[in-house]
Amino acid sequence: DAGVIQSPRHEVTEMGQEVTLRCKPISGHNSLFWYRQTMMRGLELLIYFNNNVPIDDSGMPEDRFSAKMPNASFSTLKIQPSEPRDSAVYFCASRETGTRQGTDTQYFGPGTRLTVL
Amino acid sequence: GQSLEQPSEVTAVEGAIVQINCTYQTSGFYGLSWYQQHDGGAPTFLSYNGLDGLEETGRFSSFLSRSDSYGYLLLQELQMKDSASYFCAVRARMDSSYKLIFGSGTRLLVRP
Repeated sequence: DAGVIQSPRHEVTEMGQEVTLRCKPISGHNSLFWYRQTMMRGLELLIYFNNNVPIDDSGMPEDRFSAKMPNASFSTLKIQPSEPRDSAVYFCASRETGTRQGTDTQYFGPGTRLTVL
Repeated sequence: GQSLEQPSEVTAVEGAIVQINCTYQTSGFYGLSWYQQHDGGAPTFLSYNGLDGLEETGRFSSFLSRSDSYGYLLLQELQMKDSASYFCAVRARMDSSYKLIFGSGTRLLVRP
């Protein structure tokens, strides 16, 4: 199993540019999560999808952020326009269906380290 | 509101036992998870407590007391490779969905 795949692993861009982060969840997982991690704010949930449908986007910081999941094997997180304060590591995670009742084991991808200059 | 508290840093000696505490205040509490993250790596799942009591997985154990809104992660026979950050995360039901809310993490340093 390849695990959760994210690309790119590193992204350096200039303020005002559009940034697109990509994620491929583990096959068979029907929930997908986008997190952002910074020293100041820790690990924050941005949005999550269930069966490709956005369920909770209350963590999306503002309208500059958008996420899509066009099919069960692909999701994108887009920032337009990007700002220096968006610099962080962005993680995608997926969750398996049919797990033991009450558990919530999420499998994280390696993350994308975004630097906005 | 939702809040989790855990110590920011813990230092221990190789071969020793260390306990990382986590207290939480949350509505819709469903369970407590623990994740490990090495520097530059991704969080990885360690354990989950949905009910009160102790869950053991090898050298790691996790405990939950719902009445005290408290849990801990116990690491035994510490190894150098256990140096990492450890996050407690509350699984909470909000509206019609479940989400994980992570604490700020405890950085564990294992010394020789």
